[in-house]
Amino acid sequence: AQKVTQAQTEISVVEKEDVTLDCVYETRDTTYYLFWYKQPPSGELVFLIRRNSFDEQNEISGRYSWNFQKSTSSFNFTITASQVVDSAVYFCALSEAERYSGAGSYQLTFGKGTKLSVIP
Amino acid sequence: ETGVTQSPTHLIKTRGQQVTLRCSSQSGHNTVSWYQQALGQGPQFIFQYYREEENGRGNFPPRFSGLQFPNYSSELNVNALELDDSALYLCASSLAGGSVKNIQYFGAGTRLSVL
Repeated sequence: AQKVTQAQTEISVVEKEDVTLDCVYETRDTTYYLFWYKQPPSGELVFLIRRNSFDEQNEISGRYSWNFQKSTSSFNFTITASQVVDSAVYFCALSEAERYSGAGSYQLTFGKGTKLSVIP
Repeated sequence: ETGVTQSPTHLIKTRGQQVTLRCSSQSGHNTVSWYQQALGQGPQFIFQYYREEENGRGNFPPRFSGLQFPNYSSELNVNALELDDSALYLCASSLAGGSVKNIQYFGAGTRLSVL
């Protein structure tokens, strides 16, 4: 069974500080995808990034960076120079490999989320 | 490009009633998934629809059912509502096939309160 653990329930940082959100996952699949989503107070989950299990390269997008380490089953997310607009709940998610040909049946297994508050 | 839209945004029902939630998928998407998010928790997968058929189901009882229409919009129906059904219900659309397969885009959800 798949499982995603986000051990940090809530984090508070002062604006311009760097912050890292931790994500540890469990799966028996060899092919899988990892995701990060942001959920602002409006409720909509905003897609941030997807990685597949064969691509362990770290990725940087502006102030965001992601560190994928298969050896430790972790996919951590760092925000550099945090801003008040970064305040939200962040979810890490895992999806298994395609089981059904064509349709790509999959489901996202989410962690419980980390609530980030950036204080001005 | 039109995003995922859900209606209604809020709903209040009493225990034992039935409810229907609606979702319009993002333009060009052919797959719809539904998730339940209890307060303070991560979303939990209910089921997915592709080509108007259920294409995967999470650990939810049969009183949770759905439909997908030819225009790829979808409904989530819940019968015999229980207090524990109070949650934010999220719809996500995606495109089966292609390089962007497996990325699900979410609507803002329907917040259901069962009294």
